Amino acid sequence: DSGVTQTPKHLITATGQRVTLRCSPRSGDLSVYWYQQSLDQGLQFLIQYYNGEERAKGNILERFSAQQFPDLHSELNLSSLELGDSALYFCASGQVGQPQHFGDGTRLSIL
Amino acid sequence: QKEVEQDPGPLSVPEGAIVSLNCTYSNSAFQYFMWYRQYSRKGPELLMYTYSSGNKEDGRFTAQVDKSSKYISLFIRDSQPSDSATYLCAMNLKAAGNKLTFGGGTRVLVKP
Repeated sequence: DSGVTQTPKHLITATGQRVTLRCSPRSGDLSVYWYQQSLDQGLQFLIQYYNGEERAKGNILERFSAQQFPDLHSELNLSSLELGDSALYFCASGQVGQPQHFGDGTRLSIL
Repeated sequence: QKEVEQDPGPLSVPEGAIVSLNCTYSNSAFQYFMWYRQYSRKGPELLMYTYSSGNKEDGRFTAQVDKSSKYISLFIRDSQPSDSATYLCAMNLKAAGNKLTFGGGTRVLVKP
């Protein structure tokens, strides 16, 4: 158990809809990272938050947004969903300069 | 061309054999190198973390980094069926925060 908790484990929704994925980091970790894993692209970095502030951005679509709350949990919001957004979404947490530890992900299926 | 290349496999070995995995990368600015193991329907699990050229050993696992050749390796000794998983290499630039760049993963099958 990595200590990183992600909910829900599986989401099934339709095109055009909006979903929110939730992540609770390991105790003491101020940084939260979001990644997308798909068969064709592998694991891709989306965005990083550190203590409530956005720190780094990857190839995150404009339809996607994230935030980190004062209790350090984070949410990834995906809107206007398309079939191609079907993927595994992982959250990781860590200390600056230390390796990241991953949750078990949310599997998003768009019908 | 991807920044980090990794043979997708599958790599099939008999139980007890040495598993040898490797990644090549193109960005010489990468400073930190990791190996993660991912079981089906699970998140990546950190196995090894290193930042210098040379070898690092932890139990049955040895990580090797050759920065001059931009090549990293992971060796698993005395492989077990429970080692069957996908192995991902990852690396990052200190200047870019902790954003990880992953290889595509190698699927390993250890046959009893």
